[in-house]
Amino acid sequence: GENVEQHPSTLSVQEGDSAVIKCTYSDSASNYFPWYKQELGKRPQLIIDIRSNVGEKKDQRIAVTLNKTAKHFSLHITETQPEDSAVYFCAPGAGSYQLTFGKGTKLSVIP
Amino acid sequence: EAGVAQSPRYKIIEKRQSVAFWCNPISGHATLYWYQQILGQGPKLLIQFQNNGVVDDSQLPKDRFSAERLKGVDSTLKIQPAKLEDSAVYLCASSLVRDIQYFGAGTRLSVL
Repeated sequence: GENVEQHPSTLSVQEGDSAVIKCTYSDSASNYFPWYKQELGKRPQLIIDIRSNVGEKKDQRIAVTLNKTAKHFSLHITETQPEDSAVYFCAPGAGSYQLTFGKGTKLSVIP
Repeated sequence: EAGVAQSPRYKIIEKRQSVAFWCNPISGHATLYWYQQILGQGPKLLIQFQNNGVVDDSQLPKDRFSAERLKGVDSTLKIQPAKLEDSAVYLCASSLVRDIQYFGAGTRLSVL
């Protein structure tokens, strides 16, 4: 099965700074790479995803970069805001898009 | 567009009791997933349905957990008998085939 690791497990940044979370995976068949955001007590929500034929994707302050050779992808958040505080999960998937979630990164944005 | 509906939102039971959770996916979504999320961890896939057929249930503890999706729409997940370690949030998600998964709000289960 897929082994997924996220780093760091916790991250504190000052408001306005950038945050980067890295996800490594083991299954070379993975071809779908989403990031989910989960606020306390809420459901996971997709914030950005990338498929294996693309190296980078950007959506306003959020970007995802993919390195299939090294089997890792990263979430980049620029100009962080207090509302970005949450737990972020990577969840690579293959084939039928079964997702394997990482353990999560707790991001705290300090005003 | 209505989202994934789950009920109940909260459930407290004693160990060895049984419990059932219900999920109604987004209209038209053929694929339905049940996840278990233990506090402080990421969601773990329990079972995946494609219409009313099981695609993967390799991580479902079949001695106590069961799930069905009759008519390829609503689904129920049952635990019988419950153990203390089953305390978790049970999330249902749905998607079009090979597409983005949308999650419900979950059912928080406490086993005492």
